[in-house]
Formats: sequence, structure tokens, C-alpha cells
Amino acid sequence: GEDVEQSLFLSVREGDSSVINCTYTDSSSTYLYWYKQEPGAGLQLLTYIFSNMDMKQDQRLTVLLNKKDKHLSLRIADTQTGDSAIYFCAEVDAGGYQKVTFGTGTKLQVIP
Amino acid sequence: NAGVTQTPKFRVLKTGQSMTLLCAQDMNHEYMYWYRQDPGMGLRLIHYSVGEGTTAKGEVPDGYNVSRLKKQNFLLGLESAAPSQTSVYFCASTRTGELFFGEGSRLTVL
Repeated sequence: GEDVEQSLFLSVREGDSSVINCTYTDSSSTYLYWYKQEPGAGLQLLTYIFSNMDMKQDQRLTVLLNKKDKHLSLRIADTQTGDSAIYFCAEVDAGGYQKVTFGTGTKLQVIP
Repeated sequence: NAGVTQTPKFRVLKTGQSMTLLCAQDMNHEYMYWYRQDPGMGLRLIHYSVGEGTTAKGEVPDGYNVSRLKKQNFLLGLESAAPSQTSVYFCASTRTGELFFGEGSRLTVL
């Protein structure tokens, strides 16, 4: 079955760049997503990348996709305290029911 | 625009009690999902629905039942709650692609 793995914790200083990594196993994924979860809240879509792309940039966010190694990363430039949250990567298999498999989540702590 | 609304937001149950979590979405989405979130385990799919009147099992369905009698509502039931069902439950919906999540329901089973 599909498996999505992330490291559990990342700590960075305010102003530095953060890089959150994710590996997945399903080569038939059509989209790969990054969701952000702030304390006490649900998940919100942060950004996504189609499986036929290598990179996507959206303001402070850069998503890199290495399909050969099934590796996805999210880089946050100039990390701010408001970026402290749990970040989930997720892969979507656009099969019969839009199956979404989430990683374990990476808790990002930004130190002022 | 409410999006996805879950009720209740918090509940404490005793072992063996039953309860129902309600999820309502106002976006006319076909697909709806129930996940549970536990520390270090990410989100695990309990049950899902691809349309009104249809439901199916996800990866951790045991101890839960669901119903989708109306397109906008997806109910998650616990017939006999167990301490292992202490968790935060999230409902989500989509038409295709982006999942929209509710704010979660925190359930504690004593």
C-alpha cells in the first residue's frame, strides 16, 4: 500500500530557511500536497504540485519534486514565528474516490 | 460561507457509551471523509463516501459506522466507545483535489 514518511520535528531560527522533507511510495500519484495545521485547528492547503512538475514557487514557498527518488520537499524562506505549525505532505491517487494518503506530519518550531 | 462544520467540538465518554459525530458541508462536494489524528501517526482514514447513500471502509474502520443519507452530511458513529478511540476526529470533503477540513472533534473515552 501507499506510504508517506516525514520526520517528526524541525526547529529553525526566525529569518532562516526551513526545509521539510517527505518521501512517498505510490508512483501513480497525480498530485502532491502540503497542508498546514495550526494548533487546535483543521488542516489547510498550503500548496501543491502536479506529478509532472519538478518545482513550484509561491512567494516564500518552494516545492521540489524528485519523482525518481519519490522525494518531495517544502522550503519556507525567511521563516517567521507565524509559520510554527505541523506540516503534512499528502499524495493523491485520483482513482475511484480521490484517495489521499497523509504523512505523519512535521512539527516546525520557529525560535525568535 | 461555513465550509465544513463538525459537531460537537469536544466530548467525553465512558467506555461502552455510544455517540455520533456530525459533519456538514455546504460546498456541494461529492466526496466526504472521516479521519482520526493521533500523535506521531498523522491522519488515518476511517471511512469515506463517494456520494449520497454510499460509504466505504478506510484503513482503520473497526469500531466505527457511518451514514450519508444526505449529500451534505456525513455521520460517524461509535456504538460502544473504547479508550483506544480517544483521538481528534476530522471530517473533510472535496469535489476533486483539495480537501477542505473541519476544525476537528476532540473525543476522550475514559
